[in-house]
Amino acid sequence: QKEVEQDPGPLSVPEGAIVSLNCTYSNSAFQYFMWYRQYSRKGPELLMYTYSSGNKEDGRFTAQVDKSSKYISLFIRDSQPSDSATYLCATISGGGADGLTFGKGTHLIIQP
Amino acid sequence: EAGVAQSPRYKIIEKRQSVAFWCNPISGHATLYWYQQILGQGPKLLIQFQNNGVVDDSQLPKDRFSAERLKGVDSTLKIQPAKLEDSAVYLCASSPEGGDYEQYFGPGTRLTVT
Repeated sequence: QKEVEQDPGPLSVPEGAIVSLNCTYSNSAFQYFMWYRQYSRKGPELLMYTYSSGNKEDGRFTAQVDKSSKYISLFIRDSQPSDSATYLCATISGGGADGLTFGKGTHLIIQP
Repeated sequence: EAGVAQSPRYKIIEKRQSVAFWCNPISGHATLYWYQQILGQGPKLLIQFQNNGVVDDSQLPKDRFSAERLKGVDSTLKIQPAKLEDSAVYLCASSPEGGDYEQYFGPGTRLTVT
């Protein structure tokens, strides 16, 4: 079992819809949870990070972590065609001696 | 604030040749990472530096890959000799002191081995 599981999609939704992207993880040591956006032929761009369980909101984006079920979510409200990209979830224990563990990424398409 | 810089952006080599990638992290960031991203996969950590010391290189194929970070700033990643399965995007990232959850990535170097 991979440490972080993510459905690769593609996920296609109409413009203006609410998008829900999800990951599950297996390692209880993970304490920080990140979402990255990656456009084609670009490096991953950090959208937001969350520590432990709870919600975090930034504009149209909301990240949610449920450590009891090891479930990570990203919600995008009022989706725009410019949101079309691959979204990668990532986790880290935060101890300073390891890198990020990524999911495979979900390819999101927002139809105009 | 300037982001993470990487060069070259693209490289095509034949198998058994050698190649080197360069990275300049965000100014002041103590920690530097090299990741390998194979098509359709998430990035995988190869090596992590704290200043100019190696923190984790457990997933670096040391028989062919090497990396260094001189003076705790720029870093180079080398592959010698390259194999077909090394075709991937090599990403460099950096994070501030104590902020390994806040990693910022460069644009990557796309390597094709033929």
